[in-house]
Amino acid sequence: TQLLEQSPQFLSIQEGENLTVYCNSSSVFSSLQWYRQEPGEGPVLLVTVVTGGEVKKLKRLTFQFGDARKDSSLHITAAQPGDTGLYLCAGGNNRLAFGKGNQVVVIP
Amino acid sequence: GAVVSQHPSWVICKSGTSVKIECRSLDFQATTMFWYRQFPKQSLMLMATSNEGSKATYEQGVEKDKFLINHASLTLSTLTVTSAHPEDSSFYICSAAGANYGYTFGSGTRLTVV
Repeated sequence: TQLLEQSPQFLSIQEGENLTVYCNSSSVFSSLQWYRQEPGEGPVLLVTVVTGGEVKKLKRLTFQFGDARKDSSLHITAAQPGDTGLYLCAGGNNRLAFGKGNQVVVIP
Repeated sequence: GAVVSQHPSWVICKSGTSVKIECRSLDFQATTMFWYRQFPKQSLMLMATSNEGSKATYEQGVEKDKFLINHASLTLSTLTVTSAHPEDSSFYICSAAGANYGYTFGSGTRLTVV
């Protein structure tokens, strides 16, 4: 079983601050996906990273895939209240396994 | 983009009754569908994987006779929670995967068993 550990589990910051959350594993993944989930909704895909060392940007969100393809990070610049949500990383070959998520709260 | 519709979005049922949840891929053919369960403040736990026309593959610890999965067509999979009990109350989410699409998730079903 490929386990994904996400840290920190909970993070609360003020609007305008930057934050970084992490997704780590002892296993190598062919790709990792980041999702954001709002309460009572299904996860929504943000990005898929495939190549070791890859960096992808989605507006104020920057995703990086580790060189060894075992870990990934999500950095949010100048966080907004709308960034509040549960960020989930997921990976797997034939089926997705999810980390426990990073609960991010951005305070206005 | 790929859209997956899940119905109902919430349901309340009495203990001992059965509840069916539908998952439809609206604009693509889903060769594989996945069913997840999520408890409050926890992550998604994969329950089973279903391929169209074949029996579902259940994860360890998931009772196949309790959680019946049918994937009769390339656009529809159903999960039936049989003889539901309060401990089955949870948020159930489906995901569909097609040839040219990644994983697309439904909006989830909140099941409350009273």
